[in-house]
Amino acid sequence: DVKVTQSSRYLVKRTGEKVFLECVQDMDHENMFWYRQDPGLGLRLIYFSYDVKMKEKGDIPEGYSVSREKKERFSLILESASTNQTSMYLCASSFPRVGSGANVLTFGAGSRLTVL
Amino acid sequence: QKEVEQNSGPLSVPEGAIASLNCTYSDRGSQSFFWYRQYSGKSPELIMSIYSNGDKEDGRFTAQLNKASQYVSLLIRDSQPSDSATYLCAVRDFGNEKLTFGTGTRLTIIP
Repeated sequence: DVKVTQSSRYLVKRTGEKVFLECVQDMDHENMFWYRQDPGLGLRLIYFSYDVKMKEKGDIPEGYSVSREKKERFSLILESASTNQTSMYLCASSFPRVGSGANVLTFGAGSRLTVL
Repeated sequence: QKEVEQNSGPLSVPEGAIASLNCTYSDRGSQSFFWYRQYSGKSPELIMSIYSNGDKEDGRFTAQLNKASQYVSLLIRDSQPSDSATYLCAVRDFGNEKLTFGTGTRLTIIP
């Protein structure tokens, strides 16, 4: 019954490495999101996408990029990982803002990234 | 920057009592409001959504929205130890798909 799947639960990377975080949803949602969650700072939006090949910057896009080549898949890329990107990364998806269930986010289990 | 503010707590409530969680938001144009529950080590899960002024009840949970005062609250009646979690308030921006989250309130129900 898993609906939003994140490819890696735990990752350990070194400073400067390129990191890919993958997210797949099977609910045919148009919207997909990447958040990071840090103690005391809550959930902060990195990027979101409302359609294939479309992306919008969130509140903290610096140091990140995204890719959405297929509707069900949304990837977060750290081009050159840094220690301040150590965090829990949460992927989510939703239907658009109109209609029943609009904007209700379904989250994946999260990917805990440690950058050494 | 649009803001969503919550009292970070921790909030401790005896079992069986009413837990009251509050959230204020800065954007007057916000349209949709959500409460998520997050257990330690788990991802957030939706417990309530509310879109118009007033109260919305679902079992032991009641969400209250006052757009004029820009606040939304969550009441949990007959609190149970299983309600111990962090509660996140989220607000949808006007005109787009983004949700902005508060930092969360950690709730502990004392048996």
